[in-house]
Amino acid sequence: DGGITQSPKYLFRKEGQNVTLSCEQNLNHDAMYWYRQDPGQGLRLIYYSQIVNDFQKGDIAEGYSVSREKKESFPLTVTSAQKNPTAFYLCASSMKASGGNTGELFFGEGSRLTVL
Amino acid sequence: AQSVTQLDSHVSVSEGTPVLLRCNYSSSYSPSLFWYVQHPNKGLQLLLKYTSAATLVKGINGFEAEFKKSETSFHLTKPSAHMSDAAEYFCVVKERNTGKLIFGQGTTLQVKP
Repeated sequence: DGGITQSPKYLFRKEGQNVTLSCEQNLNHDAMYWYRQDPGQGLRLIYYSQIVNDFQKGDIAEGYSVSREKKESFPLTVTSAQKNPTAFYLCASSMKASGGNTGELFFGEGSRLTVL
Repeated sequence: AQSVTQLDSHVSVSEGTPVLLRCNYSSSYSPSLFWYVQHPNKGLQLLLKYTSAATLVKGINGFEAEFKKSETSFHLTKPSAHMSDAAEYFCVVKERNTGKLIFGQGTTLQVKP
């Protein structure tokens, strides 16, 4: 089945450690996105990529990094510089940048990161 | 700048009764508007979208929404709630110049038996 796979589903990290969240899609979508979700705050855009080897900062990119070496993969690294990393992280993809004309994003099931 | 405001953070209904989730938008031109649903610990799924065609938009699972320009609203409705409708719902506007999606704060729908 086509879709987006995020791993791990749950992750615990000690303060000062970097962690990398995986996002893989087999939908042949050009654009991929990372969002952060906190209770009562909706979704906030961290980074997005419209094409391989290119990506742009979203609204809350500080303390995060990404790469887009392959069309199907868009890993997110949460660095030790991120002051409040505990959150639910969602990866999404779309056929064209900005969801194209439809505005439709396809989401993975998320990764919940807890800093101990 | 465009924005959306979801007027209720939490809505509780009984199974079989109507659902109304309210959303107001702010935009200087005709917006593209969407409703997404998120079940617990899952990703989001598109319910329906408005892109300047018919003002009454039908979505999946019996949901629909009406675009009212005079009221700058895009409320989500369903005639009869089902237990499986319990989830979080997000109203979303698409920025015209950047294409970025702006998410509302979300409304949690509780369905009581």
